[in-house]
Amino acid sequence: DAKTTQPPSMDCAEGRAANLPCNHSTISGNEYVYWYRQIHSQGPQYIIHGLKNNETNEMASLIITEDRKSSTLILPHATLRDTAVYYCIVLAPMIKAAGNKLTFGGGTRVLVKP
Amino acid sequence: GAVVSQHPSRVICKSGTSVKIECRSLDFQATTMFWYRQFPKQSLMLMATSNEGSKATYEQGVEKDKFLINHASLTLSTLTVTSAHPEDSSFYICSAIVTGYQPQHFGDGTRLSIL
Repeated sequence: DAKTTQPPSMDCAEGRAANLPCNHSTISGNEYVYWYRQIHSQGPQYIIHGLKNNETNEMASLIITEDRKSSTLILPHATLRDTAVYYCIVLAPMIKAAGNKLTFGGGTRVLVKP
Repeated sequence: GAVVSQHPSRVICKSGTSVKIECRSLDFQATTMFWYRQFPKQSLMLMATSNEGSKATYEQGVEKDKFLINHASLTLSTLTVTSAHPEDSSFYICSAIVTGYQPQHFGDGTRLSIL
């Protein structure tokens, strides 16, 4: 069962903000929203995660709706190096690390154009 | 911080060869490491969970005798693809985690090509 739904692809202009949506309508109260990205031929890179409050770090901002059924990852100033597949994953973190299995869906293939 | 190193990055070998892939956490001790496989144009699929000092836990459909995992220390896990065949050609990626409340950090992957 897919826990998240993302558009398969999107283009964005270099220098502009990229807004990546994710639907997670069946999210449970203890599940966080995680975002990873995978640049071609590399391993995934952790971007950001959150529970219900909006989060910001040096890479991106995460906006989670009040009902937590959807979220948006914002890359404030997209560069060509941000071209990648972006994965939105929901997970209830467990104290026992082995329980934190990530399930990768299809993600959104983001192409940043000059 | 949180750097995971994977070696080798690329392997090309003949059918029937066994191949060992190393995954190291360079600046932290990883209680758990995960091994994934990714076929072309597909997403990552979890193969197994590796815990230091104990046997790995394999996902359904992954042959434990085919994909041997050893997690000898808190900074090193190895995946050995035994008697590799062309259908084992794939991109193998590891990740490491300290505690459940921290995100996983991934290596850069190993592209395995079996001729």
